[in-house]
Amino acid sequence: DAKTTQPTSMDCAEGRAANLPCNHSTISGNEYVYWYRQIHSQGPQYIIHGLKNNETNEMASLIITEDRKSSTLILPHATLRDTAVYYCIVRPYNQGGKLIFGQGTELSVKP
Amino acid sequence: AAGVIQSPRHLIKEKRETATLKCYPIPRHDTVYWYQQGPGQDPQFLISFYEKMQSDKGSIPDRFSAQQFSDYHSELNMSSLELGDSALYFCASSPGPGNQPQHFGDGTRLSIL
Repeated sequence: DAKTTQPTSMDCAEGRAANLPCNHSTISGNEYVYWYRQIHSQGPQYIIHGLKNNETNEMASLIITEDRKSSTLILPHATLRDTAVYYCIVRPYNQGGKLIFGQGTELSVKP
Repeated sequence: AAGVIQSPRHLIKEKRETATLKCYPIPRHDTVYWYQQGPGQDPQFLISFYEKMQSDKGSIPDRFSAQQFSDYHSELNMSSLELGDSALYFCASSPGPGNQPQHFGDGTRLSIL
């Protein structure tokens, strides 16, 4: 499975957009990019996933570069409740589905 | 919407005892995954089941076993418990092992004294 690299921590002002980068330069053609977050000791929460096109849902937007070697998760209007560890995970399509969690980015949203 | 249900939420055991954790997936989800998260660590995959058959196995100790039943719920059985087994145990479910996202339960916090 492709390895991902994320910043260890980031700060964001409440109400502003939070842009969380992820590098996955070894991603292969059949691997999806998934984003999850974990609010202190709660179960990881699914946010969004994509293959090569940009995706948007009620929680966030996912921007994947054309070469698919990196992506950015965008929380358009961060709130204090968005403070969490955000995990970027690449996973092969249709191959069992286990998630391999890396270090993640600890996002702190500040008033 | 219905979520993944795990029980118990908290469990305290002593060394060398056994423990059973239960997971009830989201209705119509036939795939279950188990993860272990030690203190200050990221979740680590243990084992998964698809249609009641083991589909993948991670770094699960031989002292642990799991199964998925006909109603798709799953149980993680842990024997000869050690201090190092103290962790959060999460179950996740998905509608099949493809690219559909997994949804996690709130976990069971296991403490070994």
